[in-house]
Amino acid sequence: TAGITQAPTSQILAAGRSMTLRCTQDMRHNAMYWYRQDLGLGLRLIHYSNTAGTTGKGEVPDGYSVSRANTDDFPLTLASAVPSQTSVYFCASSDVAGSTDTQYFGPGTRLTVL
Amino acid sequence: GENVEQHPSTLSVQEGDSAVIKCTYSDSASNYFPWYKQELGKRPQLIIDIRSNVGEKKDQRIAVTLNKTAKHFSLHITETQPEDSAVYFCAASIRGGSYIPTFGRGTSLIVHP
Repeated sequence: TAGITQAPTSQILAAGRSMTLRCTQDMRHNAMYWYRQDLGLGLRLIHYSNTAGTTGKGEVPDGYSVSRANTDDFPLTLASAVPSQTSVYFCASSDVAGSTDTQYFGPGTRLTVL
Repeated sequence: GENVEQHPSTLSVQEGDSAVIKCTYSDSASNYFPWYKQELGKRPQLIIDIRSNVGEKKDQRIAVTLNKTAKHFSLHITETQPEDSAVYFCAASIRGGSYIPTFGRGTSLIVHP
């Protein structure tokens, strides 16, 4: 079982360019999340989805968009990247309707916007 | 919304000593409190959690305590080892609701051999 995967592992992006960070889970979890991690600021929620077809805004949603067309995939899109979006991005999933609601994190994507 | 404060931001101990990390939360409706460990360059992983119907939970060298009245919970690591060195995050959420956890800012634990 792969669990939860992210792609790419790392990326250098020119400011103004668009990019989609991919996230896929094979655990059939209903909820998925995107976080950014910056030194000293912990994990900040960007967007989330409680179930396929629905999404919601987190603490820092500006400049990002998401979609949840199916249970397994939850891509994060930066329409026009800016240097302040340089960060490590983690995708996570959880089975909030199940017996445990532990969050499982992907390996992360390190994004540098120049 | 929920606000989670975590202290200290950095904790340095000698191998074999105990380490305690404390978190406070603001929303009295929160009922699920997980702790995650993140080793350098790795993803956060759950190490222990506690629900509001218990006051303490142990798993080998780690334990978590919860005081609902005071709205604070703590992670205790005994007999620390160098491999315990990592960043630890606490979180609070409402299980059974939308389950959007709020994380603390993390504690960098350094265990010196």
